[in-house]
Amino acid sequence: DTEVTQTPKHLVMGMTNKKSLKCEQHMGHRAMYWYKQKAKKPPELMFVYSYEKLSINESVPSRFSPECPNSSLLNLHLHALQPEDSALYLCASSRPFAGTEAFFGQGTRLTVV
Amino acid sequence: ELKVEQNPLFLSMQEGKNYTIYCNYSTTSDRLYWYRQDPGKSLESLFVLLSNGAVKQEGRLMASLDTKARLSTLHITAAVHDLSATYFCAVDSSGGSNYKLTFGKGTLLTVNP
Repeated sequence: DTEVTQTPKHLVMGMTNKKSLKCEQHMGHRAMYWYKQKAKKPPELMFVYSYEKLSINESVPSRFSPECPNSSLLNLHLHALQPEDSALYLCASSRPFAGTEAFFGQGTRLTVV
Repeated sequence: ELKVEQNPLFLSMQEGKNYTIYCNYSTTSDRLYWYRQDPGKSLESLFVLLSNGAVKQEGRLMASLDTKARLSTLHITAAVHDLSATYFCAVDSSGGSNYKLTFGKGTLLTVNP
């Protein structure tokens, strides 16, 4: 199983809503990532979790709150987002060793209205 | 700050032709990755290049890495329509056990009959 599963696939939310994106993998990977991708742009790293601990936060606004409840799950909690936060949010996972490949989920397409 | 530059950004080619996509990066790294992305889809890992002189081939695609020149190439041989997609190179600058991937802007490849 080389799958990273993200839910939901699509999400429309208002600027006052609170929602969560979920990511799950069962490959035994101990590193998990959130990336943001705007249309026609490359993915940009947001957060890295290593062994369930936050190891990298790329100066992401606090309206995005990551959580890693266990080694298989990664959440991204969203609150008070802005329309410019509309994007494809990609989760990825990898073994916690240098030089291994990351596997990406299908993404959640988020629209903030 | 690590910079990753791809060129060309747009490539329109005829079926059966050969072409090369170039990826230059600005910092010392021996971990470079190539990904493919179809419209509205996630990222598919194509190649993982981990040492100077690494060369990998899969079907009509071949990737190479020259860490001294800080250059990777993705060579397309006898293109077919199914290769139409956006191709990203990404450099891992973390130096540790997590990825801190910095992506190039991507090359939008269109293969015409």
